[in-house]
Amino acid sequence: NAGVTQTPKFQVLKTGQSMTLQCAQDMNHNSMYWYRQDPGMGLRLIYYSASEGTTDKGEVPNGYNVSRLNKREFSLRLESAAPSQTSVYFCASRVLAGTNTGELFFGEGSRLTVL
Amino acid sequence: DQQVKQNSPSLSVQEGRISILNCDYTNSMFDYFLWYKKYPAEGPTFLISISSIKDKNEDGRFTVFLNKSAKHLSLHIVPSQPGDSAVYFCAARGWGSNYKLTFGKGTLLTVNP
Repeated sequence: NAGVTQTPKFQVLKTGQSMTLQCAQDMNHNSMYWYRQDPGMGLRLIYYSASEGTTDKGEVPNGYNVSRLNKREFSLRLESAAPSQTSVYFCASRVLAGTNTGELFFGEGSRLTVL
Repeated sequence: DQQVKQNSPSLSVQEGRISILNCDYTNSMFDYFLWYKKYPAEGPTFLISISSIKDKNEDGRFTVFLNKSAKHLSLHIVPSQPGDSAVYFCAARGWGSNYKLTFGKGTLLTVNP
């Protein structure tokens, strides 16, 4: 039972390069999220997808795009990477209906360094 | 403007003693509060939650207390164990917010043997 799987786990980019972080969940969850974690900043929401076919901006969306490819997959794209995007990125998912706890299930994270 | 605040970046306690982690919030529209635990190189994992209509929720060694008038919640771990050493994030959900969570900056708990 894999849960939430993120790829790649590590990536080094040069300023201006593009890349896509992939996320897939096998729990049949409706909602998926991308967070970034920076030292002393906690977890900040980049984008989320409440259900298949919808995406919305979170707290820090600038410089990112997302695609909800299907119910399982939610990708995060950096079109032109900047050093300020050096961070650890976490994908998360949750069931939308049938619960009200707000509990998120997180992947193991993707560490991105932009030089 | 930080809506969820964890003012203690770190906390160190002895094994067997009580650990108390604190969290303050400013948004009165938050209706659910959660604590997550994070080990290095892993994703955060859900620990315990509490609805805004309650003032206490207990799960084994972990108890969360909510004081709505003070906009304050705390996580108590009794007794603390070395395996509890991790970063603890407080999170809050806004009512009708599509279940988006707002996280605090985290508190690093170290439990010394």
